[in-house]
Amino acid sequence: DAGVIQSPRHEVTEMGQEVTLRCKPISGHDYLFWYRQTMMRGLELLIYFNNNVPIDDSGMPEDRFSAKMPNASFSTLKIQPSEPRDSAVYFCASGKSSYNEQFFGPGTRLTVL
Amino acid sequence: GDSVTQMEGPVTLSEEAFLTINCTYTATGYPSLFWYVQYPGEGLQLLLKATKADDKGSNKGFEATYRKETTSFHLEKGSVQVSDSAVYFCALSSDSWGKFQFGAGTQVVVTP
Repeated sequence: DAGVIQSPRHEVTEMGQEVTLRCKPISGHDYLFWYRQTMMRGLELLIYFNNNVPIDDSGMPEDRFSAKMPNASFSTLKIQPSEPRDSAVYFCASGKSSYNEQFFGPGTRLTVL
Repeated sequence: GDSVTQMEGPVTLSEEAFLTINCTYTATGYPSLFWYVQYPGEGLQLLLKATKADDKGSNKGFEATYRKETTSFHLEKGSVQVSDSAVYFCALSSDSWGKFQFGAGTQVVVTP
């Protein structure tokens, strides 16, 4: 099993640009989670999906952030327009069922200049 | 709401020392409890878990026991190695949607 795959691993962009982060969950997992990790705020849950349907997006910081899951094997997190304060490591995680462990991807380190 | 509190770091130890990281939780119902580890530049990896009271999770020499009476899930290792240097996260899942609550993380530094 390849695990959760995220791309790109590193992204450097300038303020105002659109950024798209991608995630491929583990096959057969019904849950997908997007997290953001910073030194100041730690690990924050942004949004999560069950069977491709968004369940809770209350962690999305602003309307500049949006996430989609068009099918069971792909999800995107988009920031438009990006700002320097969006600089963080963004993790995608997937899980097979509730109460069970989540499997994390390697993360995307985003730097907005 | 549900929450997890873990001891602040960094925790600095010498190789072969005993490690304890305290974790307490508040939750409705009967959560599952987890410890995750994050090595520098990597994502979080599951270290161990326990799904009911008095269960003991163990892996790679680490242990944690689910204590319902004290709402705790402390992580222990008898003899740490330099390779155990990482950030450790305590987490719980009590949501039928699979949502986790993570602690703030505890950085552990093991010196030779």
